[in-house]
Amino acid sequence: DVKVTQSSRYLVKRTGEKVFLECVQDMDHENMFWYRQDPGLGLRLIYFSYDVKMKEKGDIPEGYSVSREKKERFSLILESASTNQTSMYLCASSLGTPRRSYEQYFGPGTRLTVT
Amino acid sequence: QKEVEQNSGPLSVPEGAIASLNCTYSDRGSQSFFWYRQYSGKSPELIMSIYSNGDKEDGRFTAQLNKASQYVSLLIRDSQPSDSATYLCAVYDSWGKFQFGAGTQVVVTP
Repeated sequence: DVKVTQSSRYLVKRTGEKVFLECVQDMDHENMFWYRQDPGLGLRLIYFSYDVKMKEKGDIPEGYSVSREKKERFSLILESASTNQTSMYLCASSLGTPRRSYEQYFGPGTRLTVT
Repeated sequence: QKEVEQNSGPLSVPEGAIASLNCTYSDRGSQSFFWYRQYSGKSPELIMSIYSNGDKEDGRFTAQLNKASQYVSLLIRDSQPSDSATYLCAVYDSWGKFQFGAGTQVVVTP
């Protein structure tokens, strides 16, 4: 079974703090993704990566950055957390190439609250 | 127009009946199609993937794809209370992007 793990299930941070969310997958997947999910807005792609040290902006990259130093690990960084970044953050991974992707498997999610 | 459209529901289904969920997509060149189930407060879980026209069955679930009409559907037979969840349709489009629908909430009533 594919396993995608995320570093925290719940996280509370203060405005202005730098926040790191980590995601690890154990299936040697090439592609990894970060989404946020908000009521009424659905899943929105923040960033994705199709290889180590490669990254592509998604639909809402502003205020976020990512790092992928190893194939199995994809980190999402909130440089200066703001209250509008309070959300459920979901990591996913999939087999694929830059031009083809297959089923995405999601981690359990991190519910981040910024106060 | 959204890339992937689903009825938001809730879709109320009596226990034991068939739940029918529909999804339409705008990009005719889309390649791959997926259904996810998401329980409240949990992450999406992949339940079906379909790549070619026709039906694909897995247990109580059947996915149906019609590329000419640009829709994909999910049937849940013998619906159980544990099927109560939000079902997300996802499409891998010709631009190489995953597009998710907003989801259809299904409520199975005893």
